Amino acid sequence: QSVLTQPPSASGTPGQRVTISCSGSSSNIGRNTVSWYQQLPGMAPKLLIYTNNQRPSGVPDRFSGSKSGTSASLAISGLQSEDEADYYCAAYDDSLNGYVFGSGTKVTVL
Amino acid sequence: QVQLVQSGTEVKKPGASVKVSCKTSGYTFTNYYMHWVRQAPGQGLEWMGIINPSDGTTRYAQKFQGRVTMTRDTSTSTAYMDLSSLRSEDTAIYFCAREQAGTRWFDPWGQGTLVTVSS
Repeated sequence: QSVLTQPPSASGTPGQRVTISCSGSSSNIGRNTVSWYQQLPGMAPKLLIYTNNQRPSGVPDRFSGSKSGTSASLAISGLQSEDEADYYCAAYDDSLNGYVFGSGTKVTVL
Repeated sequence: QVQLVQSGTEVKKPGASVKVSCKTSGYTFTNYYMHWVRQAPGQGLEWMGIINPSDGTTRYAQKFQGRVTMTRDTSTSTAYMDLSSLRSEDTAIYFCAREQAGTRWFDPWGQGTLVTVSS
């Protein structure tokens, strides 16, 4: 099992807003920053959000992140077909002295 | 531009070892940490450990302690991940991923190396 919990799937029609949750604990999300990764089919993960809500250059502003307490979320507004991918959250865990990932959420554009 | 290029597909028998390489370019190798993350077929991402290329210090996930060794060659700007006593459950894609020291996020990632463990 993954230490961080995400819903297995999410979906929306083009143009809609989709939100993905990532639930952790006081030893990981509660004390450390969260990053999000997009993994297109057959590809390596790509950084989407860092330090809870920062976007690397080149990532569309349709993607946004937030964190509150021991949970974080990723929102995709104006959903597009190319957003179909798996999305993972990640954080450092002080108890494990290592990094933990979410279980992953598959986003489908209907 | 920054590139992390990994070695090719490996097929190993149970009990064997595998060594995956991650050759970097486009940045100063010793200024960034390198992580290794794996993904079993149809599964999520699993962190394996980290190496500081500057001094070679490592930290491994408890699950892999005693079986994994991460090393680097600063002359070729290449990081290595060696996993021993392979079993079928180690069949996965292995990724290297760079971290700017202390930022706690991974960017970019290597393209991945498929390791298949089968008798």
